[in-house]
Amino acid sequence: EAGVAQSPRYKIIEKRQSVAFWCNPISGHATLYWYQQILGQGPKLLIQFQNNGVVDDSQLPKDRFSAERLKGVDSTLKIQPAKLEDSAVYLCASSLAGGSPTEAFFGQGTRLTVV
Amino acid sequence: AQTVTQSQPEMSVQEAETVTLSCTYDTSESDYYLFWYKQPPSRQMILVIRQEAYKQQNATENRFSVNFQKAAKSFSLKISDSQLGDAAMYFCAYRSAGANSKLTFGKGITLSVRP
Repeated sequence: EAGVAQSPRYKIIEKRQSVAFWCNPISGHATLYWYQQILGQGPKLLIQFQNNGVVDDSQLPKDRFSAERLKGVDSTLKIQPAKLEDSAVYLCASSLAGGSPTEAFFGQGTRLTVV
Repeated sequence: AQTVTQSQPEMSVQEAETVTLSCTYDTSESDYYLFWYKQPPSRQMILVIRQEAYKQQNATENRFSVNFQKAAKSFSLKISDSQLGDAAMYFCAYRSAGANSKLTFGKGITLSVRP
């Protein structure tokens, strides 16, 4: 079974530039998560999709971050404009319907460095 | 809101010995799931073990077992016969049983294994 795919693996940009991350979840997984993980900390949920609808984006900085999940499959997360404090690993995860006991499966993440 | 607390930032264990990682959580719900995830330097988050709150029996997966104390809201992970490959960050995570529940992580603990 193919896992969660993310790209790119690494990205370096200057502050005020824009950047986009892509995620392809496991086939059949209705729930998709984007997490931000700052070095040495636990993942912080940015946004959660159920199919192509947003169920939680309470911690997404909406003035600069946006995300979409077209057709309930692939998802992109965009930052515009980037700030130094956005330097982090961005993790995408997917799972079966949110209420099931099955775990979330994670991609390898994208390490973003803003200089 | 649910919170997950991992108060030990680092732990060390001798190879072949046993180590216990602590986790507490706060919730007003009665039905939920708890997880321990491992994140090696490669960054990919991998599920170690999960526990369903309605089950009284502690989960076990080979060398990994949990001590789930529902009344105390405690969920510790025991690693027996520690191996060098167990060195990683370990995250405790919580998810309620609701349909659109989010997966909340603790800050993590860095485990080192001494040869």
